[in-house]
Amino acid sequence: DMKVTQMPRYLIKRMGENVLLECGQDMSHETMYWYRQDPGLGLQLIYISYDVDSNSEGDIPKGYRVSRKKREHFSLILDSAKTNQTSVYFCASSYRGRAETLYFGSGTRLTVL
Amino acid sequence: GDSVIQMQGQVTLSENDFLFINCTYSTTGYPTLFWYVQYSGEGPQLLLQVTTANNKGSSRGFEATYDKGTTSFHLQKTSVQEIDSAVYYCAMLMDSNYQLIWGSGTKLIIKP
Repeated sequence: DMKVTQMPRYLIKRMGENVLLECGQDMSHETMYWYRQDPGLGLQLIYISYDVDSNSEGDIPKGYRVSRKKREHFSLILDSAKTNQTSVYFCASSYRGRAETLYFGSGTRLTVL
Repeated sequence: GDSVIQMQGQVTLSENDFLFINCTYSTTGYPTLFWYVQYSGEGPQLLLQVTTANNKGSSRGFEATYDKGTTSFHLQKTSVQEIDSAVYYCAMLMDSNYQLIWGSGTKLIIKP
C-alpha cells in the first residue's frame, strides 16, 4: 500500500513551544520533503532529504529543522514556534531520480497562538 | 531565475462548463511540466505530465497542452463535474537540480 502518513492531523500550540511533526512512508523512497501551504502562496519547500542524514535546505528553512534517522521517517521540528508558522504542513516522498512524481501525505494543520 | 506563474487564483464554473487554466514559466533550461490536483483534506497528487512541446497529456478527462513559443502550459476539460472541485497546481521540474517549482494554485469551484 503506497502511503505517506502524517501525524498529527491537527495541532494547536502556543508561541514559544516546541513542535514536532512526524511523517512516514511505506514505499522505501529515498527522497522526502517538507512543504508548507498558505493561501495564495501555494506550496513552499522547507527541507528536502535525499536519504538518512542527508538533508538540504529548501526555499524557506528559517525557523525549522529536520531529522531523518530512518529512510521511512522524516520529522520536522519547530524550536520555539512563532505565530507566523501557523500553516498547513505537507510531507512528500519520491523515488530517487523521479522527483516529478511526489506522493503527499494528508497534511498537518498547525495553529500557533 | 526560474519561475512558474499561475495567475488564476480561483475559477467558478457550472457543471458541464469548459475549464481552461493557464500557467506561464520562465527558465533557461529544459523543463518538464506537470499538473497536480489537490482535493479538500488531502495532499496534492499528480494529475498529468506534459513532456514535449505541442504534445498533449491526458488523464481523467483532463487534457494538458504546452506551447514552447509562448512558454505556457494549459489544463483543460470539456465538461466539468462537481467532483472536479479542487485546487489545481502547475509545476515545472528543473533539469538542473531536479526539483519542482510550483505555481500558486487555482481553486476550481463547481456550482451544482
